[in-house]
Amino acid sequence: ILNVEQSPQSLHVQEGDSTNFTCSFPSSNFYALHWYRWETAKSPEALFVMTLNGDEKKKGRISATLNTKEGYSYLYIKGSQPEDSATYLCASYQGGKLIFGQGTELSVKP
Amino acid sequence: DSGVTQTPKHLITATGQRVTLRCSPRSGDLSVYWYQQSLDQGLQFLIQYYNGEERAKGNILERFSAQQFPDLHSELNLSSLELGDSALYFCASSARNPGSYTGELFFGEGSRLTVL
Repeated sequence: ILNVEQSPQSLHVQEGDSTNFTCSFPSSNFYALHWYRWETAKSPEALFVMTLNGDEKKKGRISATLNTKEGYSYLYIKGSQPEDSATYLCASYQGGKLIFGQGTELSVKP
Repeated sequence: DSGVTQTPKHLITATGQRVTLRCSPRSGDLSVYWYQQSLDQGLQFLIQYYNGEERAKGNILERFSAQQFPDLHSELNLSSLELGDSALYFCASSARNPGSYTGELFFGEGSRLTVL
């Protein structure tokens, strides 16, 4: 099992700022890349599942892109709000297992 | 509410003991996954079951075992507990079969195990 890396580890922004973070995953034998949002004291919830190179997904102010050839995905949040504060996890499907990165912890200050 | 139920929510026990964590998947989901989240670690994949059969295994310790029953609920058994086993244990379920990599996981709220 190869590592899924996320950066930065944490991010502090002001309300209204736009932000983005990165997920790096093994590009060989790529199947799917998942993004999850994990709020404190809750359980992770799926944001996107992406499979095709060049794929772009959007949900409200959150969007994601996928580059399977170079093995990275970006998650963008436009106009961050305090309720966006959470840990954002990406996961790569490898060998029948969904392998998670350590997450990017986002804190949005009012 | 994801529809995945985990019990107990919190558990405190001593080293050397054995505990059982229980998971009921979303109605209709056949796949169940177990993950461990220790301090400063991401979600570590332990094991996956599909319709009662083990389908994928991660770095699960030999002291740990799991099973999925005919009613599709799953149990994770942790024995000879050590301090380092203290963690948040998540169960997740998916509607897709194990060969499908696009099925999103639905997570329970986790069982927090503290070993003293």
